[in-house]
Amino acid sequence: AQSVTQPDIHITVSEGASLELRCNYSYGATPYLFWYVQSPGQGLQLLLKYFSGDTLVQGIKGFEAEFKRSQSSFNLRKPSVHWSDAAEYFCAVGIDRGSTLGRLYFGRGTQLTVWP
Amino acid sequence: ETGVTQTPRHLVMGMTNKKSLKCEQHLGHNAMYWYKQSAKKPLELMFVYSLEERVENNSVPSRFSPECPNSSHLFLHLHTLQPEDSALYLCASSQKSLGTNVGNEQFFGPGTRLTVL
Repeated sequence: AQSVTQPDIHITVSEGASLELRCNYSYGATPYLFWYVQSPGQGLQLLLKYFSGDTLVQGIKGFEAEFKRSQSSFNLRKPSVHWSDAAEYFCAVGIDRGSTLGRLYFGRGTQLTVWP
Repeated sequence: ETGVTQTPRHLVMGMTNKKSLKCEQHLGHNAMYWYKQSAKKPLELMFVYSLEERVENNSVPSRFSPECPNSSHLFLHLHTLQPEDSALYLCASSQKSLGTNVGNEQFFGPGTRLTVL
């Protein structure tokens, strides 16, 4: 069965520090990979996605992510965190297979706290 | 209105009530989804409507009943809920192509915060 693991439940960083959020997936082929962000009381907003091609993808708000097939990972990075980045971050995997009808499998999320 | 909207944003109901959640997408998409988000749990896909086909998660209780009258509107009818059904209910939409799930980036609404007393 497909699964998505975000090993860090909560991460705290200082404003201006670099950030890396980890995501590993379990699937036999290359999936479609997404990172979403959720601010309190809000829905999920797409940060970036990987379908194919260049394994380093750029997203909104200065975020980037790198797909590493050998490690089944899709880690999210930002070189300098802003206080407004404090939110919950979700990694998701989509599978191109007819029976799943576009289903996304989500990780449990990583809560990011930013210290001033 | 733009994107995906959900009403109401907050709902408090008793276990004997009947209520409905509404979702509307203004993106021209052809697939819509209901998710349940509970504290400390992964997002749980409840239902998918896609190209006139419905798929449901078999673990969702029958007290949740979806309705999709057209590609822009999605409802979740609630009846005789339990306190453990209290959660944030998220609606999403995406554009799907025939024969493939490519392009299944989903756009989410802000959610309905449901409290069952």
